[in-house]
Amino acid sequence: DTEVTQTPKHLVMGMTNKKSLKCEQHMGHRAMYWYKQKAKKPPELMFVYSYEKLSINESVPSRFSPECPNSSLLNLHLHALQPEDSALYLCASSQFQGASGNTIYFGEGSWLTVV
Amino acid sequence: KNQVEQSPQSLIILEGKNCTLQCNYTVSPFSNLRWYKQDTGRGPVSLTIMTFSENTKSNGRYTATLDADTKQSSLHITASQLSDSASYICVAHTNAGKSTFGDGTTLTVKP
Repeated sequence: DTEVTQTPKHLVMGMTNKKSLKCEQHMGHRAMYWYKQKAKKPPELMFVYSYEKLSINESVPSRFSPECPNSSLLNLHLHALQPEDSALYLCASSQFQGASGNTIYFGEGSWLTVV
Repeated sequence: KNQVEQSPQSLIILEGKNCTLQCNYTVSPFSNLRWYKQDTGRGPVSLTIMTFSENTKSNGRYTATLDADTKQSSLHITASQLSDSASYICVAHTNAGKSTFGDGTTLTVKP
């Protein structure tokens, strides 16, 4: 079983709604990630947090807002999304960012549908 | 530009048979390469991690190889099982922690 927990597993939201995706890990990892995955495509990196600070933002639109309240939690706040934002959102963590031989653990993902 | 190319795009084999998936990468500066298995609708699960100094690594029926000179990796699955049906994704990482994903190979194991 994965040790990265994501909630909710499924989310349907309107284009004017504000919602959040949550991610939690208790492995003591100091790097956490958000990925977006469309059907039959590989995951695309969105954000990386290292030691609770935003390290990488892959030019993600501002309607996606990440937050890392502490070393175990990672949120993704969603506002004014578009139907094309519908996808599987994956959270992941690793002991450190960029370290060689450093396993990245993925959560099961949150399925987001924007209507 | 960092790139990872996987082949074949899809593969169908009979249960009990072996198969080999290929990955060619162009990533700089190269740190490590990982193979993941992703079941439909679930998050990817790491199978192997290989740095440039490692040639072969096994994880049960999965054996990965890496040739850092030709920038090629392969994933060999032995004695396939129905549960091996999934997407297999090759990911190359840089020292800075940037990752480049391949498009994956969809494997279907039939009884």
